Amino acid sequence: KNEVEQSPQNLTAQEGEFITINCSYSVGISALHWLQQHPGGGIVSLFMLSSGKKKHGRLIATINIQEKHSSLHITASHPRDSAVYICAVPNSGGSNYKLTFGKGTLLTVNP
Amino acid sequence: KAGVTQTPRYLIKTRGQQVTLSCSPISGHRSVSWYQQTPGQGLQFLFEYFSETQRNKGNFPGRFSGRQFSNSRSEMNVSTLELGDSALYLCASSAATGGYNSPLHFGNGTRLTVT
Repeated sequence: KNEVEQSPQNLTAQEGEFITINCSYSVGISALHWLQQHPGGGIVSLFMLSSGKKKHGRLIATINIQEKHSSLHITASHPRDSAVYICAVPNSGGSNYKLTFGKGTLLTVNP
Repeated sequence: KAGVTQTPRYLIKTRGQQVTLSCSPISGHRSVSWYQQTPGQGLQFLFEYFSETQRNKGNFPGRFSGRQFSNSRSEMNVSTLELGDSALYLCASSAATGGYNSPLHFGNGTRLTVT
């Protein structure tokens, strides 16, 4: 089974700050997911990436396959970015949707 | 395009009862995955269906079961409910056709409370 470690667990930032959330996993994977969950429960898939870097608006995700590490960056953070961010990786031998999840990073962005 | 629809949104059941949750994927999506989220264990994978076949299963007891219909809609069933089954149950659909490059689209979840 793939083990997933996320850091930090909690993060408080001021509006406009640059945010970094880290994710490390134990077993080589084909793709990694970054998810966002707002209060109330709904989950949005932010990125699914297998190599390099992806960018969507103010969000950037990078992955280093050799080091088994991924980062999620938020530039010019805004209070609406406040949410739990979760990384997830496939269990070894399973499909990309048989996922092991990190415990999540609770991000609070203050105005 | 309509998103992933889960019904019902909230459910209260008594220990020992059974419950059925429904998930309608995005039109054209053939893969449906189910996940359980609790404060203690976080998010955990339950099972994945693709073209009416269970493709993967997580480490849950046999009381948890599911199925997928020919229109890709999926149901999960939990029998003999226990207090510990209280959780948010999420389903997600994907256009995956056997490759692994399609992202997941999540529903808003069904919050099950067992009393």
